[in-house]
Amino acid sequence: AQSVAQPEDQVNVAEGNPLTVKCTYSVSGNPYLFWYVQYPNRGLQFLLKYITGDNLVKGSYGFEAEFNKSQTSFHLKKPSALVSDSALYFCAVRPLWELTFGSGTQLTVLP
Amino acid sequence: ETGVTQSPTHLIKTRGQQVTLRCSSQSGHNTVSWYQQALGQGPQFIFQYYREEENGRGNFPPRFSGLQFPNYSSELNVNALELDDSALYLCASSSRGDTEAFFGQGTRLTVV
Repeated sequence: AQSVAQPEDQVNVAEGNPLTVKCTYSVSGNPYLFWYVQYPNRGLQFLLKYITGDNLVKGSYGFEAEFNKSQTSFHLKKPSALVSDSALYFCAVRPLWELTFGSGTQLTVLP
Repeated sequence: ETGVTQSPTHLIKTRGQQVTLRCSSQSGHNTVSWYQQALGQGPQFIFQYYREEENGRGNFPPRFSGLQFPNYSSELNVNALELDDSALYLCASSSRGDTEAFFGQGTRLTVV
């Protein structure tokens, strides 16, 4: 069975500093990997995906993620954090049709 | 904003009652999935509908059921509500073969 782990419940970073939100996964076969963001009282918003090809994936709002097959990781990154990036971030894997999500990481960017 | 809309946005039900949640998929999408997000947790897959047929189901009891209509909109029905059914219910639409799904804003269900 597939699974996703987000080891940090909370990440705090100062505005302007780089940010990383960690994700590791377990799935048989080639993974489809995703990052979604959730603002308070809202649904999930798609940020980026890895299907195949270049290990560095660029997405919306300046976010990017690095796929590392040997470490089974798919960490979300941004070179310079904004206060408006503060939200709940979910990593997900899609083995077939449905998404399996991690438990989420609350990102707080401090002004 | 995605083109996925859910109704109602909030509702309160009593334990033992039944509830129907609705979802209109994004134009051009023929696949709808439903997820339950309990407070402080990630979304959990309930089931998926493709061309009006259930196409996969997560670890949820049979009192969770659904429908998909010819226009690809969908309903989630929950019978015999329990307190633990209190959650945000999310609908996601996609086209078969597409990789990413687009989510609605969710329905917040509170069971008292």
